[in-house]
Amino acid sequence: EAGVAQSPRYKIIEKRQSVAFWCNPISGHATLYWYQQILGQGPKLLIQFQNNGVVDDSQLPKDRFSAERLKGVDSTLKIQPAKLEDSAVYLCASSYRVTSYNEQFFGPGTRLTVL
Amino acid sequence: LAKTTQPISMDSYEGQEVNITCSHNNIATNDYITWYQQFPSQGPRFIIQGYKTKVTNEVASLFIPADRKSSTLSLPRVSLSDTAVYYCLVGASTSGSARQLTFGSGTQLTVLP
Repeated sequence: EAGVAQSPRYKIIEKRQSVAFWCNPISGHATLYWYQQILGQGPKLLIQFQNNGVVDDSQLPKDRFSAERLKGVDSTLKIQPAKLEDSAVYLCASSYRVTSYNEQFFGPGTRLTVL
Repeated sequence: LAKTTQPISMDSYEGQEVNITCSHNNIATNDYITWYQQFPSQGPRFIIQGYKTKVTNEVASLFIPADRKSSTLSLPRVSLSDTAVYYCLVGASTSGSARQLTFGSGTQLTVLP
């Protein structure tokens, strides 16, 4: 079965520019997660979708970050404008359901460097 | 948010058993404990999950005491390819079906020949 796809794999931008990341979850997985992983730290959940609805976005910096999953399948995470501290790997994951006993399958991530 | 604490790093030799403990004092009553493995430049990969007592699969065991305030991942007979960062993941309950998920800071396991 195909895994979670993410693109691009790498992105370098200057501060105050905008950037968007794309994620396609495993087919049939209703729940999609976006995480931010700063070098040397564990992943930090930014937003969690169940189908096309938001389950949790309590840690998403909403003044600059936005995410959507319009058709309940693939998703886009946007940063506008980017700051130096946004340099990180952005991981997308999916699971069959939102209930806790479902394992999450992670994509390879997008490494963002903000100069 | 659920708060978790793990050792920053551990060293072991090939063939030994390794135990990594995560403390999670405010885990939600109904939440499971999940452990992931992460190699450089890859996303985390699921290892094992449990709610209480002991769970074993083909790669690891997970021990959870009755108070569920900690958990221990046990890797039997590690090999060089087990060198990776290991994370525990727990959730704090919120309204409805949402969980505020929190990864630990990770434990870098280095297996030496």
